[in-house]
Amino acid sequence: SYELTQPPSVSVSPGQTARITCSGHALPKQYAYWYQQKPGPAPVLVIYKDSERPSGIPERFSGSSSGTTVTLTISGVQAEDEADYYCQSADSSGQVVFGGGTKLTVL
Amino acid sequence: QVTLKESGPALVKPTQTLTLTCTFSGFSLSTSGMRANWIRQPPGKALEWLARIDWDDDKFYSTSLKTRLTISKDTSKNQVVLTMTNMDPVDTATYYCARTYSNSWYYFDYWGQGTLVTVSS
Repeated sequence: SYELTQPPSVSVSPGQTARITCSGHALPKQYAYWYQQKPGPAPVLVIYKDSERPSGIPERFSGSSSGTTVTLTISGVQAEDEADYYCQSADSSGQVVFGGGTKLTVL
Repeated sequence: QVTLKESGPALVKPTQTLTLTCTFSGFSLSTSGMRANWIRQPPGKALEWLARIDWDDDKFYSTSLKTRLTISKDTSKNQVVLTMTNMDPVDTATYYCARTYSNSWYYFDYWGQGTLVTVSS
């Protein structure tokens, strides 16, 4: 079955840039999406179609794609960005898959 | 304003069937491109997509769980129902309802608050 692989954790100091990667063999052909999940509330979409940002999401969140890897970049990380981040994609049949999640710690 | 809210039992016994209802507002599941999904998250673990129902009543299920899942919709009531048979303690999770609004892409722009279901005797 199709899998997406994320690092379990990423740590950065406030003001630095955080990069969270997601790898999957179908990513060159399928878009990736990113969700932020803080303790308690439901996930929030922060990037769609690899690099598009929904309205209301700060400009410091950006996405990029290269081959089988997509990357969520958070520039000028703030304490409020500490959360779990999940990538998501779908195969050609519409089966949705999530990555295992990455815990972003702001030191 | 788009909202979704999940409802159902907080506790089910092993082997029982779980029935969850998603009641939504702010959109219609009869609109072309509109889809409703169920996603779950065991405590401390990752998200897992379960099922989807589309505006034209097409239904899609997770390959690993499709023998246990049934999804349906009542457009007049703005509700989507998920049933999962033969519940097991490993099915303990927060169950989310989420919207997709796209003819071509599968992602979730609005989520419900989730409902925690514990499977225990």
